[in-house]
Amino acid sequence: NAGVMQNPRHLVRRRGQEARLRCSPMKGHSHVYWYRQLPEEGLKFMVYLQKENIIDESGMPKERFSAEFPKEGPSILRIQQVVRGDSAAYFCASSLFEGGMNTEAFFGQGTRLTVV
Amino acid sequence: ELKVEQNPLFLSMQEGKNYTIYCNYSTTSDRLYWYRQDPGKSLESLFVLLSNGAVKQEGRLMASLDTKARLSTLHITAAVHDLSATYFCAVDLSGGGADGLTFGKGTHLIIQP
Repeated sequence: NAGVMQNPRHLVRRRGQEARLRCSPMKGHSHVYWYRQLPEEGLKFMVYLQKENIIDESGMPKERFSAEFPKEGPSILRIQQVVRGDSAAYFCASSLFEGGMNTEAFFGQGTRLTVV
Repeated sequence: ELKVEQNPLFLSMQEGKNYTIYCNYSTTSDRLYWYRQDPGKSLESLFVLLSNGAVKQEGRLMASLDTKARLSTLHITAAVHDLSATYFCAVDLSGGGADGLTFGKGTHLIIQP
């Protein structure tokens, strides 16, 4: 059973380009979370998704950022018109919903985005 | 707004010594996680503490939770070089999953021979 898979592991984009980050949850997990980690900081929550549904996007910047988790395929975090301040490590986590609650979430290895 | 503070943020210690990392938080919660992160890697779950007075041990690491004091500790016994990493505590307000996790800034631990 593979863990949470993120790709690419490293992504370099020029200012103004778009960045697409992918996350495949653990097998059987239906809930996905995205976090951002700035250098020397802890992780900050961005968005929580179920299949075809955004549950909580309170941590997402209002502009340029969007996330989806389609019925088929990985979850995508999309950043349009990237700026240098978007450079960070983006982590995805997934969990199972069981017995009316979420189980412990497991994190992927992250995508390190560098905007040049 | 929940605040999670770890201290120290940087710690350099010698092999064989003992030390404790502290995690204070500002809002009532009875679920707290400790993670380890190696450079360029993901977070590895070390401990999940689910109730007041919970104590868990794995090898040279021991974690405890005092929900009344809103304090968790991660104690390192007879440190070895392999334990060099960044350690994060995360407080969970949502009762599971990862949408309610608020992380501390991390403790960068360097263990020297």
